[in-house]
Amino acid sequence: QAVLTQPSSLSASPGASASLTCTLRSGINVGTYWIYWYQQKPGSPPQYLLKYKSDSDKQQGSGVPSRFSGSKDASANAGILLISGLQSEDEADYYCMIWHNSAWVFGGGTKLTVL
Amino acid sequence: QVQLVQSGAEVKKPGASVKVSCKASGYTFTTYDINWVRQATGQGLEWMGWMSPNSGNTGYAPKFQGRVTMTRSTSISTAYMELSGLKSEDTAVYYCATSPPDWGFDNWGQGTQVTVSS
Repeated sequence: QAVLTQPSSLSASPGASASLTCTLRSGINVGTYWIYWYQQKPGSPPQYLLKYKSDSDKQQGSGVPSRFSGSKDASANAGILLISGLQSEDEADYYCMIWHNSAWVFGGGTKLTVL
Repeated sequence: QVQLVQSGAEVKKPGASVKVSCKASGYTFTTYDINWVRQATGQGLEWMGWMSPNSGNTGYAPKFQGRVTMTRSTSISTAYMELSGLKSEDTAVYYCATSPPDWGFDNWGQGTQVTVSS
């Protein structure tokens, strides 16, 4: 079982909100991890969005709009990237990442379609 | 501003080695760790390892231990990633990225396409 699992795709409408999940493997407690999020558009390198551990421990990437935010769902053992007020330019692949066992680990990515 | 410029595309035969460079500018090179991440076509991101340009210390993902070497030249603010024993599965775009302390991978190179084909 992968360390981080993300749904392969998600669709949402312009102006709506999208909630992208990153589920940690059983036995790895989301509460103890910083969850990092990246956005990648076709043909470009990833862009750092933010990192989130708790409401009092979070960090927005430089120049990243506040409509991108992080949270956690402890009951689902998952990190969440919430994008509010969806815009067409938000259509991209999104990756989560954690530092686990002395290595950075990426999730498989979610392709977000805005239509 | 911080800029990372990587070397050009490479085509290699199976079993060969490839060395990709990443030239940094716009900041003090020894300040931020350099990470290497690769991405096969249509696939996700895969972390390969990190290097401290200050100390030269490295840490490699278990999958690449024994096959990857990360080095640097501080005099020319350049990091290098060498991958040996190339296989067709190593065909991918290879990225370098800075990671300041307590921050994500905030600046990325443009990527280097490495193609392994007989």
